[in-house]
Amino acid sequence: QQQVKQSPQSLIVQKGGISIINCAYENTAFDYFPWYQQFPGKGPALLIAIRPDVSEKKEGRFTISFNKSAKQFSLHIMDSQPGDSATYFCAASTDKLIFGTGTRLQVFP
Amino acid sequence: EAGVVQSPRYKIIEKKQPVAFWCNPISGHNTLYWYLQNLGQGPELLIRYENEEAVDDSQLPKDRFSAERLKGVDSTLKIQPAELGDSAVYLCASSASGGFNGELFFGEGSRLTVL
Repeated sequence: QQQVKQSPQSLIVQKGGISIINCAYENTAFDYFPWYQQFPGKGPALLIAIRPDVSEKKEGRFTISFNKSAKQFSLHIMDSQPGDSATYFCAASTDKLIFGTGTRLQVFP
Repeated sequence: EAGVVQSPRYKIIEKKQPVAFWCNPISGHNTLYWYLQNLGQGPELLIRYENEEAVDDSQLPKDRFSAERLKGVDSTLKIQPAELGDSAVYLCASSASGGFNGELFFGEGSRLTVL
């Protein structure tokens, strides 16, 4: 019940395309849903986050869509760029921050 | 402003040897976390400190792992003795807020290889 399931494991997108990463959870007590971005050899860095009282949050090219009834949330990267190539982790928290297993995104020119 | 600083960045040891990792959090951040990241996996919490107090160490394997945060600033994570399965990246993070509803700032990690 504490797990956050993330898919796909890897994603290849052409420059300018839309990247979509999905996550699902079971614990309805989760009240904060961040996405972290990690480049090789670096620690994860917060990209964008949402709380369950809103269904969507947009920051630049990055959008979180949140479906509380389905217990699912997703990250959309519009106009994907080669510089977006990284591993993306969804996460959820109550008193602990639980990370998904990660999605390796590769954006080709 | 300096970020979270960890050392060493890389460590190679033989099994059964001890190893220690050091972390200096962002100035003013009272909450400090140690995470374990296995290859191809998300970070997993080992221990969380609020100032000097370890408020959540439920996932820390206490038979061989120990941690301390003297004076509520720097922290050290120790493994003694190390096993082959301990090969991973050990991430330190800090945050200004006490709970998990805020941003965690991660260091670059300490990559451990146990031979």
